[in-house]
Amino acid sequence: EVQLVESGGGLVQPGRSLRLSCAASGFTFDDYAMHWVRQAPGKGLEWVSGISWNSGSIGYADSVKGRFTISRDNAKNSLYLQMNSLRAEDTALYYCAKDGDTAMVGGAFDIWGQGTMVTVSS
Amino acid sequence: QSVLTQPPSASGTPGQRVTISCSGSSSNIGSNYVYWYQQLPGTAPKLLIYRNNQRPSGVPDRFSGSKSGTSASLAISGLRSEDEADYYCAAWDDSLSAYVFGTGTKVTVL
Repeated sequence: EVQLVESGGGLVQPGRSLRLSCAASGFTFDDYAMHWVRQAPGKGLEWVSGISWNSGSIGYADSVKGRFTISRDNAKNSLYLQMNSLRAEDTALYYCAKDGDTAMVGGAFDIWGQGTMVTVSS
Repeated sequence: QSVLTQPPSASGTPGQRVTISCSGSSSNIGSNYVYWYQQLPGTAPKLLIYRNNQRPSGVPDRFSGSKSGTSASLAISGLRSEDEADYYCAAWDDSLSAYVFGTGTKVTVL
């Protein structure tokens, strides 16, 4: 069964850091690009970051550029999101999503995890 | 902020046809594929339409997508109660070098 399982969310104070993980199974992880998408409570979807199959191409939303870092470990079938200098507006459910292509650009998000909640509050 | 504009809501009775629009620009819809996602209450989004008008296996043919210029639309024919959900369009934006999602449309089955 194709599956993505996120972990690492929680309550964190503004300015602190958090690292999210996404464990993939049921498909050849290193054949596909991967993404993080977030959804603030009661709000719509926002793309956060994406990474190509070999980490050669990486992109970020302007709202997180310079604060968040995406990475992947193909040997461990895992995707990560290092989040630094967190702000209240980063509070959201963070989804890991598989791309239908190897490149980070222009593909469909064909598999989604169930998400991990990040709450930034003092 | 969302770059792609959708109507906040749409509704219909069972069996009716509902259409959702998605308006963008030349840097996103005008030059790249459009995707549609369905988000049932309390669940993760699910890919509904890819590459403007293609359905993944398992998606009923009641759902169809189209694109013209800088706009796209999703049609749901033979509306069913289980279609009550939020629907989002999405596309890569060449100017932003980022994926952009639509504002989302809540479909209600009356």
